[in-house]
Amino acid sequence: KQEVTQIPAALSVPEGENLVLNCSFTDSAIYNLQWFRQDPGKGLTSLLLIQSSQREQTSGRLNASLDKSSGRSTLYIAASQPGDSATYLCAVSGGYQKVTFGTGTKLQVIP
Amino acid sequence: DAGITQSPRHKVTETGTPVTLRCHQTENHRYMYWYRQDPGHGLRLIHYSYGVKDTDKGEVSDGYSVSRSKTEDFLLTLESATSSQTSVYFCAISASSGGAAGELFFGEGSRLTVL
Repeated sequence: KQEVTQIPAALSVPEGENLVLNCSFTDSAIYNLQWFRQDPGKGLTSLLLIQSSQREQTSGRLNASLDKSSGRSTLYIAASQPGDSATYLCAVSGGYQKVTFGTGTKLQVIP
Repeated sequence: DAGITQSPRHKVTETGTPVTLRCHQTENHRYMYWYRQDPGHGLRLIHYSYGVKDTDKGEVSDGYSVSRSKTEDFLLTLESATSSQTSVYFCAISASSGGAAGELFFGEGSRLTVL
């Protein structure tokens, strides 16, 4: 059974800092990995999708990497802003529409 | 933003009553999903659909049924609501062509409270 872990559960950083969020998974037989952000009381917003054949994806200040063999992904946020404050979730896709979500890292960026 | 609308957004009901949540998409995506999100459990798949009248169970399907009579609409029904079904329910869509799920896009959620 796939298990997805995100550590730390919460993170507080000053504005402008570069930061890394971690996601680890137990079964390396994945099709893709997706990063989301979720604001309080809202749905999940897709940030980046990395296919299993890819090593990284970039969108603006965000960069996500994937190392299937070690079961790890990182989300790098450059020059953090208060508007980046949210919960960040990673999700790993296996076969048969099976997607396993982590429980998230709650990020607070302090002005 | 992906065109996904969930209704109702909030509902309070009593134990034993039937409840139907609706998900409507304007993207014409083949796959639609219902998830529930609970503290300590994260998101868990209830049911999904891969086409009109084609549905399958997820990991927490007991007590739930679904229907998809049109590409754009996916209904989740709780035949007899219980307090354990108090949760936030999310609809998601994907343009996946089969096999593994593709990029997922989520609705805003429906908060259900069962008293």
